Amino acid sequence: GENVEQHPSTLSVQEGDSAVIKCTYSDSASNYFPWYKQELGKRPQLIIDIRSNVGEKKDQRIAVTLNKTAKHFSLHITETQPEDSAVYFCAASKDSGYSTLTFGKGTMLLVSP
Amino acid sequence: EAGVTQSPTHLIKTRGQQATLRCSPISGHTSVYWYQQALGLGLQFLLWYDEGEERNRGNFPPRFSGRQFPNYSSELNVNALELEDSALYLCASSGTGSHNEQFFGPGTRLTVL
Repeated sequence: GENVEQHPSTLSVQEGDSAVIKCTYSDSASNYFPWYKQELGKRPQLIIDIRSNVGEKKDQRIAVTLNKTAKHFSLHITETQPEDSAVYFCAASKDSGYSTLTFGKGTMLLVSP
Repeated sequence: EAGVTQSPTHLIKTRGQQATLRCSPISGHTSVYWYQQALGLGLQFLLWYDEGEERNRGNFPPRFSGRQFPNYSSELNVNALELEDSALYLCASSGTGSHNEQFFGPGTRLTVL
C-alpha cells in the first residue's frame, strides 16, 4: 500500500519567515495530494490540494509543489504569522477502486512573534 | 449548513469493555471515514463507508468495526478495549470518492483505563 513520509516533524520559524514542509510517497499511481491544518484542540481542515496534472498551485501565502518523477510534494508558507502555528498533515491517494487517503505523521509548525 | 458532528465528546472505558462512537456527516455526503489519531502517529485510517457499504479498511484488528445507516450516519465499535486504544477518533465525510475534500468532525476522545 501507499506510504507517506513527512519531514520535518517540528519546525520553528520567526514571524515573517518562510516555512517548507516536505512529503514523499511510495505509490507512483497516487494522483491527489491534499494538505490539512490542525490547530491545537481543533479538527483538521483542508488548506490546499494538488492533483497530478499540475506541478504547482498557489493560494495567497500558501503554495504546494509536486514532483511526480521524484514522488515528492511540498507545502510552502510565505510571510508566516503566529496564527499559522499548527500541525500540518500531507496525504496522498489514487483515483482507482476504493483507494483512501494515506496521511503523513504531521509537522508541528511554531511561528514565534 | 451543519458540519460533521460526533458523539460523545469524551468517553472513558476500562480495559475489556466495548466502546461505541457515532458520527453524522454533512447533509448530502454519502462517504464517512474513521481515523484514529494517537499522539505522534498522525491520522491512521480505520474504515470507509459509502452508501451503506464498507469500501475499505485500514490495518486494524477485527475488534474495530462499524456500520453506516440509511441516513448515512455511522457508528464505530471497538470491542475488547486495550489501553493502546486510547486516542482521538475522528470522523470525516465527503461526497463519494477519496478525491473529494474530507470534512472532519471534532472527534471523540476515548480513554481506556
